Amino acid sequence: GAVVSQHPSWVICKSGTSVKIECRSLDFQATTMFWYRQFPKQSLMLMATSNEGSKATYEQGVEKDKFLINHASLTLSTLTVTSAHPEDSSFYICSARRPGTSKETQYFGPGTRLLVL
Amino acid sequence: AQTVTQSQPEMSVQEAETVTLSCTYDTSENNYYLFWYKQPPSRQMILVIRQEAYKQQNATENRFSVNFQKAAKSFSLKISDSQLGDTAMYFCAFMKYNTNAGKSTFGDGTTLTVKP
Repeated sequence: GAVVSQHPSWVICKSGTSVKIECRSLDFQATTMFWYRQFPKQSLMLMATSNEGSKATYEQGVEKDKFLINHASLTLSTLTVTSAHPEDSSFYICSARRPGTSKETQYFGPGTRLLVL
Repeated sequence: AQTVTQSQPEMSVQEAETVTLSCTYDTSENNYYLFWYKQPPSRQMILVIRQEAYKQQNATENRFSVNFQKAAKSFSLKISDSQLGDTAMYFCAFMKYNTNAGKSTFGDGTTLTVKP
């Protein structure tokens, strides 16, 4: 299957700093990537849809100035948590969409654990 | 808007036995995809099985099969010959067919424990 990587897998930062998470599609071009947030034993909450070459589409209630998304190439999307606070601590997952009428699938990265102290 | 409901927060099964996870959904769409994803303790999301709504035949992948009832909007997952490695959280998901957005709607998940 297709591979999506995320970096870093773990990050601990101080309150007020910014953290960048990278999501890479390693073996296919992804015009669309998704960013999710997940709390323990809960479902995935879609934060935003990242479109290559255009602005991201944010879900209702997600602060676009807080969670900056850049999809600069067909294989890379980044999520920057600006001025992180303890309430931003969570597990962040990206996925890359592989479209096609018979192969429509999302491939997920391994996730990034963020702890803000 | 679509909704996906998984009514079983937790389930357990003995190793080698069969278990069925339930999923219902609500949509006005006629064409769509349904998915089951597995999230083991590592938290890596893994696609288990995909079903296209226009296909009447139920999808199967080795020990995993689905019972897709389009009229009832039901999409259950059957795991046969359960193995310890099947212990995970399982998510049912819905995606509209052939749209630019490609967003999925996820259920709340079912935590499955396979007991030795």
